[in-house]
Amino acid sequence: DAGVTQSPTHLIKTRGQQVTLRCSPKSGHDTVSWYQQALGQGPQFIFQYYEEEERQRGNFPDRFSGHQFPNYSSELNVNALLLGDSALYLCASSLWGNPDEQYFGPGTRLTVT
Amino acid sequence: AQKITQTQPGMFVQEKEAVTLDCTYDTSDPSYGLFWYKQPSSGEMIFLIYQGSYDQQNATEGRYSLNFQKARKSANLVISASQLGDSAMYFCAMRPWAAGKSTFGDGTTLTVKP
Repeated sequence: DAGVTQSPTHLIKTRGQQVTLRCSPKSGHDTVSWYQQALGQGPQFIFQYYEEEERQRGNFPDRFSGHQFPNYSSELNVNALLLGDSALYLCASSLWGNPDEQYFGPGTRLTVT
Repeated sequence: AQKITQTQPGMFVQEKEAVTLDCTYDTSDPSYGLFWYKQPSSGEMIFLIYQGSYDQQNATEGRYSLNFQKARKSANLVISASQLGDSAMYFCAMRPWAAGKSTFGDGTTLTVKP
């Protein structure tokens, strides 16, 4: 039973560039949430996707956008990268309406120079 | 709005002893779930234990147990028989019943001494 997978593992980008991060949810899960974790802090919720629609959004600017595909996988896009976007980006998968399960992927570490 | 407070930035415990990591929460949601995650230096967030707000019994998973006191809005994690591999950052998180976003605390760094 495959768990949550994310790609790439690490990424280095320059200010102003755009980046796309990818996530495949755990088998049987249909909901994907994205989190940003700055160094030394807890994860901060970016947004959540279910049935290919953004269902909830945290306090992040429009530079952060996403997509969910029919196979439940998801992408996180960040435009016009800032130095402050450097963080660990975590994807979490769950089953819609089932609150007792949420599993995280290994994360993508983004460095913006 | 939801808030998770973890008041212990760092904790030390002797190998084979038990340790309690504190977590208090605040929410207006009538139904919610409480989670504990372990995050080693590799970065992966590992699910440890879950407690539903309407669960009558405290959750247990192997060496992990959750001391849930709803009236005090606390959800402390107890790790019994600590092992060196338990050294990591531990996060408490809350999630509304309607599968909404999870809110995390700032974490507690646990160091297990041999």
